[in-house]
Amino acid sequence: DIQLTQSPSPLSASVGDRITITCQASQSIKTYLNWYQQKPGKAPKLLIFDAANLETGVPSRFSGSGSGTEFTFTISSLQFEDFATYYCQQYAHFPMTFGQGTRLDIK
Amino acid sequence: QVQLVESGGGLVKPGGSLRLSCVASGFTFRDYYMTWIRQAPGKGLEWVSYMSPSRSYTNNADSVQGRFTISRDNAKNSLFLQMNSLRVEDTAVYFCARGSREGFCSGGNCYPYNFDFWGLGTLVTVSS
Repeated sequence: DIQLTQSPSPLSASVGDRITITCQASQSIKTYLNWYQQKPGKAPKLLIFDAANLETGVPSRFSGSGSGTEFTFTISSLQFEDFATYYCQQYAHFPMTFGQGTRLDIK
Repeated sequence: QVQLVESGGGLVKPGGSLRLSCVASGFTFRDYYMTWIRQAPGKGLEWVSYMSPSRSYTNNADSVQGRFTISRDNAKNSLFLQMNSLRVEDTAVYFCARGSREGFCSGGNCYPYNFDFWGLGTLVTVSS
């Protein structure tokens, strides 16, 4: 199975900060990577698909990039509602797998 | 709007069985891959099982293979997960999630690209 390793975890930041989360795949997954946000007690929400495409309705402060084995997820200016846990997920190779998650805390 | 509502969770002893249900609304259910994804307490996400729109493609994670069976009733906009021989390590919140309309096909297998809508989940606790 493809292993996805997210860093850092956890991550502490302040409102207004720019943050980046990295997702490293154990082998090439081209751009077959998605990003999700999960708040406590809530269902995950798809934010970015195919590495860099913003899901409909997701604010433009969220972005993603990368290909192969290295991917980044960026929030350009943190808002209070962005403090949550973020997961990457690949579908290049079956089975679909998730990263371990990055909890984003208020500093 | 898209809604997915799970039910059927609860407390069960090791070796027992449960059947989870998910009722969908707000979209054409029969056109989409559907999946079950679980999250153990305080842990990350683990894909469990999926089924294609026409039931042609289905698969389970190795951790549940031979014990869990996914099914769907397109006429009733419903997804199910029959869970047998439950183990303590199956304790988790089980989410029903909508997959893509088309599958990603590789090596004769097709599966969903992503999971764009999720239910709130139903808690399954396996304990003696």
